[in-house]
Amino acid sequence: DTAVSQTPKYLVTQMGNDKSIKCEQNLGHDTMYWYKQDSKKFLKIMFSYNNKELIINETVPNRFSPKSPDKAHLNLHINSLELGDSAVYFCASSQAGNSPLHFGNGTRLTVT
Amino acid sequence: QQQVKQSPQSLIVQKGGISIINCAYENTAFDYFPWYQQFPGKGPALLIAIRPDVSEKKEGRFTISFNKSAKQFSLHIMDSQPGDSATYFCAASSNKLIFGTGTRLQVFP
Repeated sequence: DTAVSQTPKYLVTQMGNDKSIKCEQNLGHDTMYWYKQDSKKFLKIMFSYNNKELIINETVPNRFSPKSPDKAHLNLHINSLELGDSAVYFCASSQAGNSPLHFGNGTRLTVT
Repeated sequence: QQQVKQSPQSLIVQKGGISIINCAYENTAFDYFPWYQQFPGKGPALLIAIRPDVSEKKEGRFTISFNKSAKQFSLHIMDSQPGDSATYFCAASSNKLIFGTGTRLQVFP
């Protein structure tokens, strides 16, 4: 059973389009995250939700909007895609507090 | 203050050798220091973690050394194996996890 699953695995789209990435976790964790990994492998937190409530919102363009319909799901919607949005986006989950993050296998987004 | 500096950027080690990756931080509020291992096409996975009340933690071939006064911590991989070839990230957390810049480790037979 996959603990943190995200879809799609690959996403190729043109500039200006709107796209969504879905994430689900079956670990019963309260907290979910979106991280962005760029071409140099830098991992940067974007958002964090605890029990459907937004608790971390880093300096991310308004074009990125997370949505958590329930505590097992955290989706990421991106409007008006730009070339610089090309990256691998990772969803993760954890129990509250300083506990291990469990990552999905990433969604490689390519904007052409 | 929120940065975690990691070195080296890449590391080549022969099978059986010791791999050492170093990290440094500034924020004294950090109270949890994990290391993550990432294979190509996969998400990072927790390898080992330490809290600042201990100076060393060992799990199998992997050891974290922690120096609170110097605000530094390091990962030692003993008897490095080709299967250890991956990218390693140190991280630090108070209320959110901040990752280092990553070290690509290659272990040659």
